Amino acid sequence: QKEVEQNSGPLSVPEGAIASLNCTYSDRGSQSFFWYRQYSGKSPELIMFIYSNGDKEDGRFTAQLNKASQYVSLLIRDSQPSDSATYLCAVNPPGSGYNKLIFGAGTRLAVHP
Amino acid sequence: EAQVTQNPRYLITVTGKKLTVTCSQNMNHEYMSWYRQDPGLGLRQIYYSMNVEVTDKGDVPEGYKVSRKEKRNFPLILESPSPNQTSLYFCASMRTSGQIAQYFGPGTRLLVL
Repeated sequence: QKEVEQNSGPLSVPEGAIASLNCTYSDRGSQSFFWYRQYSGKSPELIMFIYSNGDKEDGRFTAQLNKASQYVSLLIRDSQPSDSATYLCAVNPPGSGYNKLIFGAGTRLAVHP
Repeated sequence: EAQVTQNPRYLITVTGKKLTVTCSQNMNHEYMSWYRQDPGLGLRQIYYSMNVEVTDKGDVPEGYKVSRKEKRNFPLILESPSPNQTSLYFCASMRTSGQIAQYFGPGTRLLVL
């Protein structure tokens, strides 16, 4: 089992809908979770970080953690075509500090007009 | 402007010819990392550094070396490149005090023949 898993997609949603992306992790002790957006041919960009003590909302983005089921979700409200990108999830292994990150392979999101 | 720079951006080399990819950040971040990105595998961490003269292995360190003699620079060294090191490489720096922030360089596309 991979340490961090994401459905590769593509996840296709209509403009204005909510896009829901999931990421499962294997180490129950993981405490920090990162979401990145990567446009084709570009570098990853950190868009959300949450710690294990709660969810987080930032504009149209919400990150939610389900510790019991060991997954973290990224919700994008009012999806726009400009949100079309690959979304990468990353997890800190326990006791490693923020700098050690395990990434999922990413989910490709396509928002169609 | 907050920036992580990498050089070169593109490199074609031959097996066994030592090469160095430079990485520099202007944000005084303590944490820096190197990743490689391969299709279907996502980002995999090669090495990371928590401060000057403090480095540690990531998930795929074999065949790579790093050094951190100055806070701003974190070069990646391939002593004897092999074709399986053909990949897209990203350097990143991270701020962990206050609000978490991470910045990636533009990437270096390496082809080893």
